[in-house]
Amino acid sequence: SQTIHQWPATLVQPVGSPLSLECTVEGTSNPNLYWYRQAAGRGLQLLFYSVGIGQISSEVPQNLSASRPQDRQFILSSKKLLLSDSGFYLCAWSSRTGAWETQYFGPGTRLLVL
Amino acid sequence: AQSVSQHNHHVILSEAASLELGCNYSYGGTVNLFWYVQYPGQHLQLLLKYFSGDPLVKGIKGFEAEFIKSKFSFNLRKPSVQWSDTAEYFCAVIHTDKLIFGTGTRLQVFP
Repeated sequence: SQTIHQWPATLVQPVGSPLSLECTVEGTSNPNLYWYRQAAGRGLQLLFYSVGIGQISSEVPQNLSASRPQDRQFILSSKKLLLSDSGFYLCAWSSRTGAWETQYFGPGTRLLVL
Repeated sequence: AQSVSQHNHHVILSEAASLELGCNYSYGGTVNLFWYVQYPGQHLQLLLKYFSGDPLVKGIKGFEAEFIKSKFSFNLRKPSVQWSDTAEYFCAVIHTDKLIFGTGTRLQVFP
């Protein structure tokens, strides 16, 4: 069966520090991968999605970037965190059998920028 | 742009009460609709989805949703809630290959 991992689960970082959140998927090949941010009262906002290695689409201009160095690895990064980057970050995957099939979510990373 | 509205931000019910959570979307063309649920401390997971066919969709744990095209709605229902239904519920729609989520509804069920 497929599983999706995210780490760390919780992270407290000072403003201006770098960020690297990792997401890996097991049990499937060639998945579509997604990064979302969940902010209180704002639902889930799609940040990035990827349909393959090295292929990243950005949905909103921001202080973050994403990379996909391997088929089942998706990394969310920042060179300098802002206070507004605080939130709950979710990684998700879906199969590529059809356009945007059901998405399966990871456990999330709670980021607090101080 | 496509948007999803969930007007009930916080719903509090007693066990055995009936539930209806509203979801409205803005785009009038062909849509694929989802309800996701996030139980406390758990992953966000799919509750049910509508792609085509019967507009009344049955999901897990006794939930159902009805797609009403004329009303741009996909409301979630359950005839009798349980304490274990306490969670946050998100409606979502696919539009131009992107999954657009509503802001979520927090449901609290008291015994």
